[in-house]
Amino acid sequence: LAKTTQPISMDSYEGQEVNITCSHNNIATNDYITWYQQFPSQGPRFIIQGYKTKVTNEVASLFIPADRKSSTLSLPRVSLSDTAVYYCLVAVTGGGNKLTFGTGTQLKVEL
Amino acid sequence: DGGITQSPKYLFRKEGQNVTLSCEQNLNHDAMYWYRQDPGQGLRLIYYSQIVNDFQKGDIAEGYSVSREKKESFPLTVTSAQKNPTAFYLCASMNTGSGYGYTFGSGTRLTVV
Repeated sequence: LAKTTQPISMDSYEGQEVNITCSHNNIATNDYITWYQQFPSQGPRFIIQGYKTKVTNEVASLFIPADRKSSTLSLPRVSLSDTAVYYCLVAVTGGGNKLTFGTGTQLKVEL
Repeated sequence: DGGITQSPKYLFRKEGQNVTLSCEQNLNHDAMYWYRQDPGQGLRLIYYSQIVNDFQKGDIAEGYSVSREKKESFPLTVTSAQKNPTAFYLCASMNTGSGYGYTFGSGTRLTVV
């Protein structure tokens, strides 16, 4: 299983860029890296997904180095509404479609 | 709109009772999952199913049971054997051909009274 490790929490201020790094040292060749956002008492919401290099969408960027042993979610100019838990998920290919979430990173954005 | 519907949103169970949580999706996804989340904790996998009439145990399956008789439905039963059932339960589905992106339901909060 590709276990992931993230910081437990991060603090930021409105308007700043936030970078959350996830380590996944034993990622498999066919694994994708996906990030989710979760607000209290809601289901996680898909943010972004990538395989290698850089992926950007309207809400975030995902940076993946060549060795793919880590990835960084970048949130530009955060606001109070970005306060949430962010999960990094690495697909497990050898075990079928059994996907395991890490502990997540609690991001707190203040004024 | 396509999505996943979990019901009920809140559920109360007496000690010794079995309760069933509903999960229905109209996304035509093959795979469905049940997760448990405790306060301040991450998601832990209970059961998952990749096709109809087949399912596998996740990391914390003891005290739970599931069925997958239809592609759209994946109900979870919390049995009396589950000693600490109070938690937030999340159902998810995935199109296995689309790069492993989940869609989650809005969750069911189960409380033992």
